[in-house]
Amino acid sequence: DSGVTQTPKHLITATGQRVTLRCSPRSGDLSVYWYQQSLDQGLQFLIQYYNGEERAKGNILERFSAQQFPDLHSELNLSSLELGDSALYFCASSVGGGQGYYEQYFGPGTRLTVT
Amino acid sequence: AQSVAQPEDQVNVAEGNPLTVKCTYSVSGNPYLFWYVQYPNRGLQFLLKYITGDNLVKGSYGFEAEFNKSQTSFHLKKPSALVSDSALYFCAVRDSLEDMRFGAGTRLTVKP
Repeated sequence: DSGVTQTPKHLITATGQRVTLRCSPRSGDLSVYWYQQSLDQGLQFLIQYYNGEERAKGNILERFSAQQFPDLHSELNLSSLELGDSALYFCASSVGGGQGYYEQYFGPGTRLTVT
Repeated sequence: AQSVAQPEDQVNVAEGNPLTVKCTYSVSGNPYLFWYVQYPNRGLQFLLKYITGDNLVKGSYGFEAEFNKSQTSFHLKKPSALVSDSALYFCAVRDSLEDMRFGAGTRLTVKP
């Protein structure tokens, strides 16, 4: 158990809908990262928050947004969902933010299925 | 820009034999290198990392990795494979300025 929690575990929704994925980092970790894992794209970095502020942005679509709250939990919002958004979405956390040498600890993921 | 390559999609070894999972990288500055393992329906688990210092890094579950700067490689190794080591392995690279970049993953199968 990494100490990172994600809810829900599974989500099935229709095209055009909007969903929210939630993540709670390990105790003491200030950074939260979001990743998308799909069979054809592999593991793609979406976005990072550090202590409530956006720190880095990866391959995140404009239809997707995220935020980190004062209690450090984070939410990833996915809107106008398309079939291609079906994937595993992982949250990870680390102690540091700007330094590259901190390892990340991953949650169990949310499996999103768009029908 | 940084990148990481795992040249083998699949590695098969017999239980008790040594295993190697290969990784090569490209970064503009000094690399921070990581190995993660993913079991079915689970998140990625951190195995080990290289920041600086000794080229041989020891990690969890008996795994180790060798950093080779001249060959820009960071291969994962284990002297004696277990069936329970069967999983998907990811190499990742990061420098001080950029996001962590993961390889495509290598599926390791250890046969009894």
